[in-house]
Amino acid sequence: NAGVTQTPKFRVLKTGQSMTLLCAQDMNHEYMYWYRQDPGMGLRLIHYSVGEGTTAKGEVPDGYNVSRLKKQNFLLGLESAAPSQTSVYFCASSTSNSPLHFGNGTRLTVT
Amino acid sequence: AQSVTQLGSHVSVSEGALVLLRCNYSSSVPPYLFWYVQYPNQGLQLLLKYTSAATLVKGINGFEAEFKKSETSFHLTKPSAHMSDAAEYFCAVSENSGYALNFGKGTSLLVTP
Repeated sequence: NAGVTQTPKFRVLKTGQSMTLLCAQDMNHEYMYWYRQDPGMGLRLIHYSVGEGTTAKGEVPDGYNVSRLKKQNFLLGLESAAPSQTSVYFCASSTSNSPLHFGNGTRLTVT
Repeated sequence: AQSVTQLGSHVSVSEGALVLLRCNYSSSVPPYLFWYVQYPNQGLQLLLKYTSAATLVKGINGFEAEFKKSETSFHLTKPSAHMSDAAEYFCAVSENSGYALNFGKGTSLLVTP
């Protein structure tokens, strides 16, 4: 049972480049989330989804877009990367009454 | 709006000593409270959760936390620290049991021999 899988694990981008982070879960969870983790800041919610085809903004959504075309996948896009988006990105999933299950993270560096 | 504050970004204890990690919450409704642990280069794992069934919650690896409404606290404790407990610990709050958790900034636990 893979749980929550994030790809890629590491990525280096130049300022202005675009990329998509993929999150896949095999637990049939309705809810999925994208967080970013920065030193001294804890985890901050970027976007989340409460079901296929629906997304909502979290605490720090600017500069990111998301899509949930399939229940098991939640994509996070950066259209024009900035150094301020250098971070570790975590995807998580849950049901309506279960704790979050996290992936192992994607470490992104924007130069 | 709900939030948590973790007191102390770094805590150091000796192996075998008591571990106490502090978390205070703010919520306009009865909260769901969680403690997660993060080992280096890994995602977060659930240690324990409070969902109003009992004020003293036991979790994995010998950790427990007590919900104190009068103090708006949910401190994490372990009687005897082990070297393997060294990690980052996050307190989190939600208005429902599942989604959109708000996390604290984390406390890094160092265990010394």
